[in-house]
Amino acid sequence: EAGVVQSPRYKIIEKKQPVAFWCNPISGHNTLYWYRQNLGQGPELLIRYENEEAVDDSQLPKDRFSAERLKGVDSTLKIQPAELGDSAVYLCASSLVGVISGYTFGSGTRLTVV
Amino acid sequence: KQEVTQIPAALSVPEGENLVLNCSFTDSAIYNLQWFRQDPGKGLTSLLLIQSSQREQTSGRLNASLDKSSGRSTLYIAASQPGDSATYLCAAQMNRDDKIIFGKGTRLHILP
Repeated sequence: EAGVVQSPRYKIIEKKQPVAFWCNPISGHNTLYWYRQNLGQGPELLIRYENEEAVDDSQLPKDRFSAERLKGVDSTLKIQPAELGDSAVYLCASSLVGVISGYTFGSGTRLTVV
Repeated sequence: KQEVTQIPAALSVPEGENLVLNCSFTDSAIYNLQWFRQDPGKGLTSLLLIQSSQREQTSGRLNASLDKSSGRSTLYIAASQPGDSATYLCAAQMNRDDKIIFGKGTRLHILP
């Protein structure tokens, strides 16, 4: 079974440029999460989807961040325009509601804004 | 608001030693607690998950315990190996379908 797949693995962009990250969750997992991990910190939730509905986006900086989950499967996270402080690792995770198995994380996308 | 704290932030021990990593949380009404491993530049790998009704979970050389009343969890690693070097994160989930809240992690270095 393939795990959570994220792309790209690395991205370097200049500030004020747009950037997008893609996530393909584990097949059948209806809940998808985007987390951001700053250097030396634990991951923090940006947005949580149940199927195609964003049920918790309270921590998403909506002035520059947007996300979507097409047909309740793949998801994209976009930043426009990027700022220096957005440099971090962006992690995607998925889980199945009602199944006590915890989360499965992808390998993440390391974003560097210069 | 749930806060998760991990002590120490970094730890170096000689190969072969047994060691304990600590995690504390402020709200004891958790749904579950999970331990993750993160290698440099990589994502998170789930190691052990303890449900609120459980006291411990074991996998190989790893044993995680949960004491909700004191707001603590420990990860015990037996007979440490250089390959155990990584950052270990604990995370608390408050409700079944809720986000998980992470500690900052403990960076573990096993000396050959």
